[in-house]
Amino acid sequence: DAGVIQSPRHEVTEMGQEVTLRCKPISGHDYLFWYRQTMMRGLELLIYFNNNVPIDDSGMPEDRFSAKMPNASFSTLKIQPSEPRDSAVYFCASSGRERVLYGYTFGSGTRLTVV
Amino acid sequence: GQNIDQPTEMTATEGAIVQINCTYQTSGFNGLFWYQQHAGEAPTFLSYNVLDGLEEKGRFSSFLSRSKGYSYLLLKELQMKDSASYLCALTSGTYKYIFGTGTRLKVLA
Repeated sequence: DAGVIQSPRHEVTEMGQEVTLRCKPISGHDYLFWYRQTMMRGLELLIYFNNNVPIDDSGMPEDRFSAKMPNASFSTLKIQPSEPRDSAVYFCASSGRERVLYGYTFGSGTRLTVV
Repeated sequence: GQNIDQPTEMTATEGAIVQINCTYQTSGFNGLFWYQQHAGEAPTFLSYNVLDGLEEKGRFSSFLSRSKGYSYLLLKELQMKDSASYLCALTSGTYKYIFGTGTRLKVLA
């Protein structure tokens, strides 16, 4: 298995622009998570899905952030409009029923810089 | 709510043993995980504890005391490649983890 695949790896954008981050979870995993990591706040959960349905979006900072999971093999996190304080590494992770044995599997992350 | 505390940084010598502590407060508890994260990389799963006691996996062991809200990760025979951040994470009855800010471990030759 190729693991959790995220794209792009790096994104530099100007303030006010729309940014879309993409994630392909591991096949067969029924949970998908979006996290944001900064030096100050560490890893913060933004939203998670179970069987493509959003379960908890209480970590989404504000209406500028939205996430979708149209099918079991694809999810997007969109920021519109982007702001400099959104600069962070965004991780997608997936998990199956064996999470207690194997935990989450994280993607390589997208490093977002908003200038 | 939930709160997790870990030391920010630790330094140890190659070949030594180091213990990284994690204390937490939570209204519900369903397990504690430890992850390793090398600089610029994704976190990777190390261990999971749900019952009190010690879980051993090779050079790494993890301990949990639910009554004290306390866990530690023990790394033996330290190697240079163990230089990384170590993240403690809680689950509380759902599938979501709440992570601590991590402990950055530097292993010196």
